[in-house]
Amino acid sequence: QITLKESGPTLVKPTQTLTLTCTFSGFSLSTSGVGVGWIRQPPGKALEWLALIYWDDDKRYSPSLKSRLTITKDTSKNQVVLTMTNMDPVDTATYYCAHYFSGAWGNWGQGTLVTVSS
Amino acid sequence: DIQMTQSPSSLSASVGDRVTITCRASQSISSYLNWYQQKPGKAPKLLIYAASSLQSGVPSRFSGSGSGTDFTLTISSLQPEDFATYYCQQSYSTPQSFGQGTKLEIK
Repeated sequence: QITLKESGPTLVKPTQTLTLTCTFSGFSLSTSGVGVGWIRQPPGKALEWLALIYWDDDKRYSPSLKSRLTITKDTSKNQVVLTMTNMDPVDTATYYCAHYFSGAWGNWGQGTLVTVSS
Repeated sequence: DIQMTQSPSSLSASVGDRVTITCRASQSISSYLNWYQQKPGKAPKLLIYAASSLQSGVPSRFSGSGSGTDFTLTISSLQPEDFATYYCQQSYSTPQSFGQGTKLEIK
């Protein structure tokens, strides 16, 4: 059974850096074809894809946010970390991590709401 | 970047109705199209992958079709638990993108 869970701060101040950790079980991020990524959803709005890291450490980012995002993995800990710099109130959203395989996001974490406010 | 446009944005229907939601890509994405269901306060759930393949555990009343730029999600007979928001998503190229969502409400 695949499970994922996001952890990190629920409140950050403008200009601060957000660090989110996705801890997963039920699969290995060293298995060929597997990826873990991040998708966010502002309150009442649509889903927005942010970043994806593959088993071979290939990394993909949303071009509009690429300068602010870094995604890394720790295969031994079954964790993926997303950092987003220079946070702004428009970045207030629920952040989801998810398992990616065969071109689809098959399993999602419960999400974590991050509010950006001074 | 590939834009995904869903129609309608909202839809009212009754239990037992047949419902179709459309998703159009701004350029050809072959069959790299997925459908998700999201209920309030919950994470999205994968329903259909690769345009027409039913995810394990998803009821057979859900089906998907299409290729290239035009895709549809059909629910053959609406059940009470199907009232939710539905999103299409392309995985053909980076950046991946989602449609704006279709909110399915009870009539």
